[in-house]
Amino acid sequence: AQSVAQPEDQVNVAEGNPLTVKCTYSVSGNPYLFWYVQYPNRGLQFLLKYITGDNLVKGSYGFEAEFNKSQTSFHLKKPSALVSDSALYFCAVRDSADKLIFGTGTRLQVFP
Amino acid sequence: ETGVTQTPRHLVMGMTNKKSLKCEQHLGHNAMYWYKQSAKKPLELMFVYSLEERVENNSVPSRFSPECPNSSHLFLHLHTLQPEDSALYLCASSRFLWGVEGVGGELFFGEGSRLTVL
Repeated sequence: AQSVAQPEDQVNVAEGNPLTVKCTYSVSGNPYLFWYVQYPNRGLQFLLKYITGDNLVKGSYGFEAEFNKSQTSFHLKKPSALVSDSALYFCAVRDSADKLIFGTGTRLQVFP
Repeated sequence: ETGVTQTPRHLVMGMTNKKSLKCEQHLGHNAMYWYKQSAKKPLELMFVYSLEERVENNSVPSRFSPECPNSSHLFLHLHTLQPEDSALYLCASSRFLWGVEGVGGELFFGEGSRLTVL
């Protein structure tokens, strides 16, 4: 069955430092992968997606994600974290029926 | 502002009450979704509608009853809920089912309705 795993419940990083939020996936066939962000008291917002092509995908708010087929990973990254990046981040994969399967979420806390 | 509006934002109800959650999208989308968000669990897909027709019912208990009177509105009717049903209920929409058209995958979410069942 298709699935995504977000191994970290929470990631803490100091403002100005690079951040990484991890995601691994399990799919049959080519993966379609997504990142969403949920700010406090908000719904989820689409950040970026990987469909095909360049393994480094750029998205909103300076975020990017790196697709690694051999490691079945799609980690979210940002070179310099902002306090305002503090939020809940969800990785998702599209399954064989085109449904979006979401992970458990990772809470990112950026400290001043 | 995502173009998807959910009301009420907060709801407290007893186990014998009947209430409804409402979702409205102003994006001209054809597909709408209900998700349940509980802490430390994956988002749980509940129902999917495409062009007002239900296309997914993910083994959801009958105490949750969806209704999609038109492509802009989606309701979740609640009846005799249990305390474990307390969660954030998210509505989403997409232009096509699962956003599939060539690329797709982008759902637009509302801010959610926080439900507490006493």
